[in-house]
Amino acid sequence: EAQVTQNPRYLITVTGKKLTVTCSQNMNHEYMSWYRQDPGLGLRQIYYSMNVEVTDKGDVPEGYKVSRKEKRNFPLILESPSPNQTSLYFCASSFQGGANVLTFGAGSRLTVL
Amino acid sequence: AQSVTQLGSHVSVSEGALVLLRCNYSSSVPPYLFWYVQYPNQGLQLLLKYTSAATLVKGINGFEAEFKKSETSFHLTKPSAHMRDAAEYFCAVSSSGSARQLTFGSGTQLTVLP
Repeated sequence: EAQVTQNPRYLITVTGKKLTVTCSQNMNHEYMSWYRQDPGLGLRQIYYSMNVEVTDKGDVPEGYKVSRKEKRNFPLILESPSPNQTSLYFCASSFQGGANVLTFGAGSRLTVL
Repeated sequence: AQSVTQLGSHVSVSEGALVLLRCNYSSSVPPYLFWYVQYPNQGLQLLLKYTSAATLVKGINGFEAEFKKSETSFHLTKPSAHMRDAAEYFCAVSSSGSARQLTFGSGTQLTVLP
């Protein structure tokens, strides 16, 4: 089944404790992206990647890091989480070019205390 | 620059009634427009997309949307609401068609009353 898999789905952590949210897709998509969803703000892009070793900032990159060492994986790293990073996070992927449709993961709900 | 405005963060309709979710966009070039739906505890999935072919676009689950350039609108409709349509709906625009440049609206939560 074609899908984007995120882990963990739910996480409660404390301020300053590094964490990684993994994202993997099995569709051979070149493009991958991370979004955060907050009430009343819709989805805001954090980082995206056009292909292996090619990443760039989205609209809200502060406090996050990403890497794209393999085509299928695009982890999101919070080096020193803070309470304002409490949010629902989505990974998504698509092919390049044209009016591409994003395939989304099921989401990761993160709470930073 | 591009942007999307969804009018009404919450919409309630009775089962069997017309569903109308409003979306207005701004774009300096002819846009690509999308509606995504998010069911509880799930990721977003595509309902329909407009890519400069027919202005009336039909999507899944009986939804459709009409692109109106003069009004810069792309409203989503369904003639008869069903309980399973209760979800959050997001309108999105891309000026280039690239997923990299997709801008989402703030979302509309649809409640369907029995």
